[in-house]
Order: sequence, then C-alpha cells, then structure tokens
Amino acid sequence: GDSVTQMEGPVTLSEEAFLTINCTYTATGYPSLFWYVQYPGEGLQLLLKATKADDKGSNKGFEATYRKETTSFHLEKGSVQVSDSAVYFCALRTGAGGTSYGKLTFGQGTILTVHP
Amino acid sequence: DSGVTQTPKHLITATGQRVTLRCSPRSGDLSVYWYQQSLDQGLQFLIQYYNGEERAKGNILERFSAQQFPDLHSELNLSSLELGDSALYFCASSVAPTGSRTEAFFGQGTRLTVV
Repeated sequence: GDSVTQMEGPVTLSEEAFLTINCTYTATGYPSLFWYVQYPGEGLQLLLKATKADDKGSNKGFEATYRKETTSFHLEKGSVQVSDSAVYFCALRTGAGGTSYGKLTFGQGTILTVHP
Repeated sequence: DSGVTQTPKHLITATGQRVTLRCSPRSGDLSVYWYQQSLDQGLQFLIQYYNGEERAKGNILERFSAQQFPDLHSELNLSSLELGDSALYFCASSVAPTGSRTEAFFGQGTRLTVV
C-alpha cells in the first residue's frame, strides 16, 4: 500500500538557518505530493504541492521538488524564522479507484522549533 | 480560515459513552474526509464521503460510523468510547476526490478526551 516516510524529528534550528526535512514515499501509479503545516492548536494547512514528476512546489519561501527517480519530496527553506515553528507533514494522494479514492496518506510529522 | 467548520472544538466524555462530531465542508465541496490524529498512530484516514455516499474506508473501527447529509455536512459518530479513542479528529473537504490534483482543506479539528 501507499506510505510516506519523513525524517525523524524534532528539528531545532536558529533563526536564518537552512532547513531540510526529508520525505520519501511508496505508491502505486502517479501520486500528487503535498506538504502540510500544523501550527500549535490549529488544523492542517496546505503549504505546497506538486502533481507530477519534476514539478517544484513553493510557498512562503518553502520549496519541494517531486523526484520520481528517488521517490522523494524533500522540503527546504533557505532562511527559517521563529514563526515557522510548527509540525510539518508530507503526504501523498493517488487518483480515483480502489481504496485510495482521493484519500491522503501522511508521514508521521516533523516538529520544527526555530530559536531567535 | 480554510472554510471547513468543525464542532465542537473540544469534547470531554466518559468511557462507554457516545459522541457525535460535526463537519461543514467548504462551500461547493462535495467530498468529505475524516482523519484521526493520535500520538501513537499519527494521522490516519478513517472514511470518505462524496455527495452523500460512502466512497472509501480506512482504519475505522466498527464502533465508529459516519454519514453525509443532503446539505453535504457530515457527522462522525463514536460509540462505546475507550480511553484509546482520545485524539484529534479532523474533517477535510475537497471539490471532488477524482483526479490527483484536487486539494483537501482541513478544519481545525475536534479534540476528544475520553476519561
């Protein structure tokens, strides 16, 4: 079945440091890939997405490239801020059909803490 | 604000009881998904409805059931509650489930505590 593996956390960085959160996946077919962010006490918000191989998703300074050859979708940001402290989830969605009818499969989440 | 509304935000109840969680999807969205977030299991897909019909089931216990009403809001019913059912329950909605380009928008969740 589909699965998503994220690098283990938590990750602690100083402000303006470079961020990488690794994400690899296993899926049948051609999934879409997503990064969601969960701020303390809130729901999940879509951060960025990529729908086909070599697509780059970007938002708020975050980027991730859909790499089919390595089945990866690593999240990067060049200079993190304290306000980026949150839990980050990598997820995939396969197309219609079978038991994967549009559902999202999530990784376990990575807690990011950024210190001033 | 994602446009997905979940009520209540918090719920505390005793073991053995039954509760109902409610979700109103974004305007125009026909598909509703329920997810459970717990410390040990992470984010798990429970069940999905599309335009009133059940379309997919995930790791949903037999004690749990859901439905989507003609006005497209959805309810998740949890019965014979156990301590292990304590979790954050999220609802998400999307225009349609078909096609891998459809985004899901999440509500803020209902935090259920079973004591």
